[in-house]
Amino acid sequence: DIQMTQSPSSLSASVGDRVTITCRASQSISSYLNWYQQKPGKAPKLLIYAASSFQSGVPSRFSGSGSGTDFTLTISGLQPEDFATYYCQQSHSTPLTFGGGTKVEIK
Amino acid sequence: QVQLVESGGGVVQPGRSLRLSCAASGFTFSNYAMHWVRQAPGKGLEWVAVISYDGNNKYYADSVKGRFTISRANSKNTLYLQMNSLRAEDTAVYYCAGDSRLDDIFDIWGQGTMVTVSS
Repeated sequence: DIQMTQSPSSLSASVGDRVTITCRASQSISSYLNWYQQKPGKAPKLLIYAASSFQSGVPSRFSGSGSGTDFTLTISGLQPEDFATYYCQQSHSTPLTFGGGTKVEIK
Repeated sequence: QVQLVESGGGVVQPGRSLRLSCAASGFTFSNYAMHWVRQAPGKGLEWVAVISYDGNNKYYADSVKGRFTISRANSKNTLYLQMNSLRAEDTAVYYCAGDSRLDDIFDIWGQGTMVTVSS
């Protein structure tokens, strides 16, 4: 199974900050990496797929990069509605696996 | 609008069975692969199972293989998860998720249904 490791597990940031979340795969997954946002009590929402492609309707302040084993989600100019937990997920092979999540909190 | 609505969750004793349903609307259900993803209380996301758009291919997480069965009825726009021999560790919110690109990316999610396994 491919293990996905996210860091940090949590972070505190202020509105307007640039935030970077990292996801590392235990083996190369090419660009088969997706990012989701989950707010408390809600279902996850797809933000970025194939490492760097935007899902329709997602604000342009969200961006993704990386390939192979190392990936990054960047939020450029954090907004109040961005405080949530973010998960990476590999779609390279089954079993599909998620990172442990990064909780973005208000400083 | 595009919508997935899960139902069938509840409290069940260990060893018993439960069947979850996921009703789809607002999109062509038969074009989508469908998944179940679960989230234990306060924990992260765990993929459970996938079924191809035509129902011919199914894959499961090791943690549920042999106990859970995913199925679909395209004529009814409905996805199912039959859960047998339930364990305490199956306690979670269960989400159904749609995959329009047929590449294991979850681009539509339901609101989730809670399953609690407890005596």
